[in-house]
Amino acid sequence: KNEVEQSPQNLTAQEGEFITINCSYSVGISALHWLQQHPGGGIVSLFMLSSGKKKHGRLIATINIQEKHSSLHITASHPRDSAVYICAFGNEKLTFGTGTRLTIIP
Amino acid sequence: DGGITQSPKYLFRKEGQNVTLSCEQNLNHDAMYWYRQDPGQGLRLIYYSQIVNDFQKGDIAEGYSVSREKKESFPLTVTSAQKNPTAFYLCASSWTFYSNQPQHFGDGTRLSIL
Repeated sequence: KNEVEQSPQNLTAQEGEFITINCSYSVGISALHWLQQHPGGGIVSLFMLSSGKKKHGRLIATINIQEKHSSLHITASHPRDSAVYICAFGNEKLTFGTGTRLTIIP
Repeated sequence: DGGITQSPKYLFRKEGQNVTLSCEQNLNHDAMYWYRQDPGQGLRLIYYSQIVNDFQKGDIAEGYSVSREKKESFPLTVTSAQKNPTAFYLCASSWTFYSNQPQHFGDGTRLSIL
């Protein structure tokens, strides 16, 4: 059975802090996705990666295929980063985590 | 701007009533998806379509139906057989149906029971 675990479930931090969100999955995959869900519900795809590391602005995603683990990092966090971050993985259909709710306090 | 449009944003259903959620994309994507999101749970796949005039059941298809008569449109009908329809519904699309393709999402429709 495909399973995915995210940690922490909730994270509150001060503006400017370095943020790390973790994702562990249970089976070999062809790709892992990181998504951002805004308070209104809309979802934006942040990263799709199958190896190594990707960077976009202040966001960095890494994946360790051997350990079946991925991390999403946010540098110099800002209140506008407050959202739910979701990881998803699969080989055909995606299996989604329950998300990490991030709140950045000014 | 290319994207996915879902409508309506909020929808209310009476007992015994079928309701249809609209999803339109202008990204020229072949694959489209419907997901359901409940509090504390990950997104679950209801139906997907790999190409026009084709669709497949996902993990929780009971009580739902879809059609894919046009490439850009993938409406979802929540039938009266779906006994617990209250949820947030998200439509998505991608170039092809494989997990190594990024999916583009709409803003969702929140369905409630009257």
